[in-house]
Amino acid sequence: AQSVAQPEDQVNVAEGNPLTVKCTYSVSGNPYLFWYVQYPNRGLQFLLKYITGDNLVKGSYGFEAEFNKSQTSFHLKKPSALVSDSALYFCAVSRVNKYIFGTGTRLKVLA
Amino acid sequence: NAGVTQTPKFQVLKTGQSMTLQCAQDMNHNSMYWYRQDPGMGLRLIYYSASEGTTDKGEVPNGYNVSRLNKREFSLRLESAAPSQTSVYFCASSEATGWGSYEQYFGPGTRLTVT
Repeated sequence: AQSVAQPEDQVNVAEGNPLTVKCTYSVSGNPYLFWYVQYPNRGLQFLLKYITGDNLVKGSYGFEAEFNKSQTSFHLKKPSALVSDSALYFCAVSRVNKYIFGTGTRLKVLA
Repeated sequence: NAGVTQTPKFQVLKTGQSMTLQCAQDMNHNSMYWYRQDPGMGLRLIYYSASEGTTDKGEVPNGYNVSRLNKREFSLRLESAAPSQTSVYFCASSEATGWGSYEQYFGPGTRLTVT
């Protein structure tokens, strides 16, 4: 069965420090992987996606994600966190006619 | 461009009442979706429309109906609301019907409470 897991409900990081939000997936065949961000009382916004090619994907607002096929992971990263990055982050996996979201990870960047 | 718009933003219903959530997109996208978001459960797909004139059930379709009125508009109807339908509802659209590589664009959501 196709699934995606975000093992951390919340991640706290100090402003200026690097951040990582974890995502693992389970899908047969080659996955398409996405990260979305949700700010309070807003809809989800697309950050980046992995379709094929380079395992390091760069996206909006300085975020990047690394696709690791052997570990079936697609972790979201940023070299230097900003307080304004505080939000809810969702990983999603797509394959054939299914698009599955993770349960979300709340990122809190502390000033 | 307004992107994806939804009305209303908030709604309170009594059990058994009906209502329709409206969604429109101005990006000329082919595919549209309705999700519900509940705490700790992420987003779950209710219905989707791969293209104008087609609709299909998603993960949690019971208690809902949809209409793809035209390419721009996709409405969600609750015929007889139940407290279990208390949730935040999001409409989304994407460029094409392929579930693979197309990112989705989301509206601001409708917060529905059923008492």
